[in-house]
Amino acid sequence: GQQLNQSPQSMFIQEGEDVSMNCTSSSIFNTWLWYKQDPGEGPVLLIALYKAGELTSNGRLTAQFGITRKDSFLNISASIPSDVGIYFCAGIQGAQKLVFGQGTRLTINP
Amino acid sequence: DAGVTQSPTHLIKTRGQQVTLRCSPKSGHDTVSWYQQALGQGPQFIFQYYEEEERQRGNFPDRFSGHQFPNYSSELNVNALLLGDSALYLCASSRGPSGGSPLHFGNGTRLTVT
Repeated sequence: GQQLNQSPQSMFIQEGEDVSMNCTSSSIFNTWLWYKQDPGEGPVLLIALYKAGELTSNGRLTAQFGITRKDSFLNISASIPSDVGIYFCAGIQGAQKLVFGQGTRLTINP
Repeated sequence: DAGVTQSPTHLIKTRGQQVTLRCSPKSGHDTVSWYQQALGQGPQFIFQYYEEEERQRGNFPDRFSGHQFPNYSSELNVNALLLGDSALYLCASSRGPSGGSPLHFGNGTRLTVT
């Protein structure tokens, strides 16, 4: 099935570093979402973006909806151990059908 | 306020068998969607239920079927299980099917087909 192209697939960083990941698609989406998934749990919504060009923050997280509506990025500033997990981007097609990226696995060395 | 709850949490079935997974939506939500997440992949949309009807469907065969009950809870049924059906099955709920309300996911049912 269709998936968004998310990169990088994995990241290994030191605690306190900033993190950046992005997501691209050949299709236009009207809404972009960023989720975090911890082991044994379902994805949890971090940020929702509804307008092209929109820049939205949630604490140390910042995400942007690309002008072309075909991409989005997520930044995490000053990473902490609880940021470890898998981050997914998702675009909404039609009425709430989410198309997900393959995920970025974030590992933090203390 | 209970979130999305799914049962069972884990399940082991044999190839060819049938399975039923259950989902109770978050309080106040009336729309349920099901996703399949293979190991190391992002979730894939199976279908969405609203007002007890299937409203949207992803690229999954007819072996995958569902139901929504008057209390908004939902079931996912998979017939003639294949080894490739082994995955985490996620249920997500929202208020209305139109996209204005964010999806809330449950913790999933881990299905293993042997």
